[in-house]
Parts: sequence; structure tokens; C-alpha cells
Amino acid sequence: KNQVEQSPQSLIILEGKNCTLQCNYTVSPFSNLRWYKQDTGRGPVSLTIMTFSENTKSNRRYTATLDADTKQSSLHITASQLSDSASYICVVSLINNAGNMLTFGGGTRLMVKP
Amino acid sequence: SQTIHQWPATLVQPVGSPLSLECTVEGTSNPNLYWYRQAAGRGLQLLFYSVGIGQISSEVPQNLSASRPQDRQFILSSKKLLLSDSGFYLCACSTGVGTDTQYFGPGTRLTVL
Repeated sequence: KNQVEQSPQSLIILEGKNCTLQCNYTVSPFSNLRWYKQDTGRGPVSLTIMTFSENTKSNRRYTATLDADTKQSSLHITASQLSDSASYICVVSLINNAGNMLTFGGGTRLMVKP
Repeated sequence: SQTIHQWPATLVQPVGSPLSLECTVEGTSNPNLYWYRQAAGRGLQLLFYSVGIGQISSEVPQNLSASRPQDRQFILSSKKLLLSDSGFYLCACSTGVGTDTQYFGPGTRLTVL
């Protein structure tokens, strides 16, 4: 069964601190893995995408890693800002004849406090 | 680049009433379209996807239906809403088979009372 598990479910950190979010998946056949940021009441927005051969990808203060052997990914946020408060969703993709089919993790809700 | 519009943004409906949520896409043609539901504190669940006009696939049995009357229009409907239909509904599009990027609309918050 295709599953994506994220941890922790929620996290509170102080502004300026770093944090790391985890994602484990069992999706097969694997195409790629994305991290999305979803602000409350808004649609998700893609932060990073990594294919099987990539093991790290950065986007400003966000750095994602991927270990395709252990089927684990992490999202590291550096020098957090109040605007980082959101849900972060790990999404693993497989491709079939309907286009790309996504399996979503339950998300990690991050709150950055001043 | 594509833009996805959804309306209404929020909706409060009584149990047993009908539902119609609309999604339209600009900036691309012949997209794959998707309806997702996100329950409070939960991940996104794929409800329907469409690879073309009139072509709808359902991922889960439910009280909802979808239609695609035009290439860039995707409608989510129900004849009689249930309490369990409450949630945040997201429309998404991708630009073709093998293309991996899905772009999401702003969502519709549905509350069934």
C-alpha cells in the first residue's frame, strides 16, 4: 500500500531557530518527492522536488534531503521566520496513465513564535 | 503559467442540500484536473481526476460526483450533503501525462451543518 508518514505532527519553535521535518514513504514505483507549504486556508505551494537520483535540494532557507534506499526525506528550515508558520506536506509521486498520481503525507504543522 | 480559480471560497450548507463547487483553469490547455478534500488536521485525499472532457475517474466511493463540461472547467457536486462532507476542497491541475507538477487552487471551505 502506498503511504507517506510524516513526523512530528506538530512543532513549535522560536523565531530564528532551525528545525527538521521528517517523511517516510512506501510509494512504489517512485517518481519523485515534493515538499509543499500550505498556509492556513490556502492551497499548497511546492517548495522543492527531488527525483530518485537527487539527494539534496535547496530553496532559500529550505533544504530537502532524500534517501531513496531507506525511503526517507527531510526538510530542514534554517533561521526560521514567523512567516514559516504553516503546514508542511510531503508528497510522493508515481506516474501512471492518468498523469501523475500523488500520495500525500498528513503534514507537519509548524508554528514559529517570536 | 497556469492559474486556478475556485469558487466559492467558503460555503455553509445544511445537511441534505445540494452542492456545486467550480474550478476553472487559465494559462494551459488539455490539463489533467483533480479534486482533493482535506479534512481538518488531515492530509489531502484525492476524490476525482480527469484527463479530458467528460472523462472522470473516482478514487473513493462517496456522496460526491464530478463533471468536466469544458476543457478547463471542473465541477464537484452533490445531490444531498452529509455532515461528513465538511472539509477543505482543493482543485489542482497538471499539464499532461508524465508531467509531474500539480498546481493547486486557493480552495473552498465547506461546512455542512
